[in-house]
Amino acid sequence: DARVTQTPRHKVTEMGQEVTMRCQPILGHNTVFWYRQTMMQGLELLAYFRNRAPLDDSGMPKDRFSAEMPDATLATLKIQPSEPRDSAVYFCASGLSAGNTGELFFGEGSRLTVL
Amino acid sequence: ELKVEQNPLFLSMQEGKNYTIYCNYSTTSDRLYWYRQDPGKSLESLFVLLSNGAVKQEGRLMASLDTKARLSTLHITAAVHDLSATYFCAVDSNYKLTFGKGTLLTVNP
Repeated sequence: DARVTQTPRHKVTEMGQEVTMRCQPILGHNTVFWYRQTMMQGLELLAYFRNRAPLDDSGMPKDRFSAEMPDATLATLKIQPSEPRDSAVYFCASGLSAGNTGELFFGEGSRLTVL
Repeated sequence: ELKVEQNPLFLSMQEGKNYTIYCNYSTTSDRLYWYRQDPGKSLESLFVLLSNGAVKQEGRLMASLDTKARLSTLHITAAVHDLSATYFCAVDSNYKLTFGKGTLLTVNP
């Protein structure tokens, strides 16, 4: 059963610490998205990769957030230094681009709490 | 910038009743998606609508798309408690999905 896998599922950390979240997209998918979900803002797009190339990270605070795709099976989202306002659920989603439905498949999310 | 608006944001229904959730969007697109999210869970794809006039049905849920009006509807027929969840619409722009705020649906006995 193909699925998007995210780790960690839960993370509690202190302000100022580095946080790294990882995502394994569905095998064969060529697009990867990072979304952040909060009660106040809903689902916000942070970064978007196609064929491992970053296409859009305009939704991401550049001074502390970074997103990479070192290979086709791994996407990472890093926060350094973390702040309490970063507390949220971070979802990774993958899909196929042109020639397909464009449907995205979501992972279970990484729930981050920054104290 | 693409904006996606859902209404209502909160919906409390009686079992057995019908209701419709609306999704309006601000720029041209002919690809729209509906997702369901249970509390503390991931987003599950419900419907993929890829053209004007598209209609999809699954059980008590039916989704439609009017690209000219930039409007999609999610119609609930004879609601049951199991449908209680948050429903999101998402609109495609250059293979990037923008989500609405979600509609929290509660179905009461």
